[in-house]
Amino acid sequence: DAGVTQSPTHLIKTRGQHVTLRCSPISGHKSVSWYQQVLGQGPQFIFQYYEKEERGRGNFPDRFSARQFPNYSSELNVNALLLGDSALYLCASSRTAGLAFVQFFGPGTRLTVL
Amino acid sequence: TQLLEQSPQFLSIQEGENLTVYCNSSSVFSSLQWYRQEPGEGPVLLVTVVTGGEVKKLKRLTFQFGDARKDSSLHITAAQPGDTGLYLCAGSMDSNYQLIWGAGTKLIIKP
Repeated sequence: DAGVTQSPTHLIKTRGQHVTLRCSPISGHKSVSWYQQVLGQGPQFIFQYYEKEERGRGNFPDRFSARQFPNYSSELNVNALLLGDSALYLCASSRTAGLAFVQFFGPGTRLTVL
Repeated sequence: TQLLEQSPQFLSIQEGENLTVYCNSSSVFSSLQWYRQEPGEGPVLLVTVVTGGEVKKLKRLTFQFGDARKDSSLHITAAQPGDTGLYLCAGSMDSNYQLIWGAGTKLIIKP
């Protein structure tokens, strides 16, 4: 079975622009989480979606939004990009959102904001 | 405030040496996971521990979950250059659905 896939792999934008990142979870996984990872740090939680409902949101501004589709794929949208949004954006999928919350990560989208 | 403190932040040792990485918290976790990440790639799950005092082995890697489920350690025996990477611990709590991450330990094994 294919793992978590993300697109695009790399993206360069300028300040003020908008970006949409995409994620397809592992087949059978109903939960998708998004993380931002700045170079040299651990991932920071942005959103979790389970069965198309938002289950959790991290400490990110309203410029960040996401949604999950009926096929459990997901999009992360970031508006009015800032230089500080440059990071590796990771998507992770899991079968459930319960105990022993095991997530599998995609390769990430490297976003550079100039 | 970082809920999960990893130490050391950086470690560079010679091939063949042993090492231990620590992941500590004042909070109780229902489970804790260890990941390894290479540059430009997503983290890869190594192990999940869910029971206080649990010890799991993965070849030369030994993972332990503290009795009180507040801390964990990763011990590598006879480290090899292929062990080089960023090691991350992440914990989950019953009260919410997000993972709490440590800042990572960057490990370099020199041949």
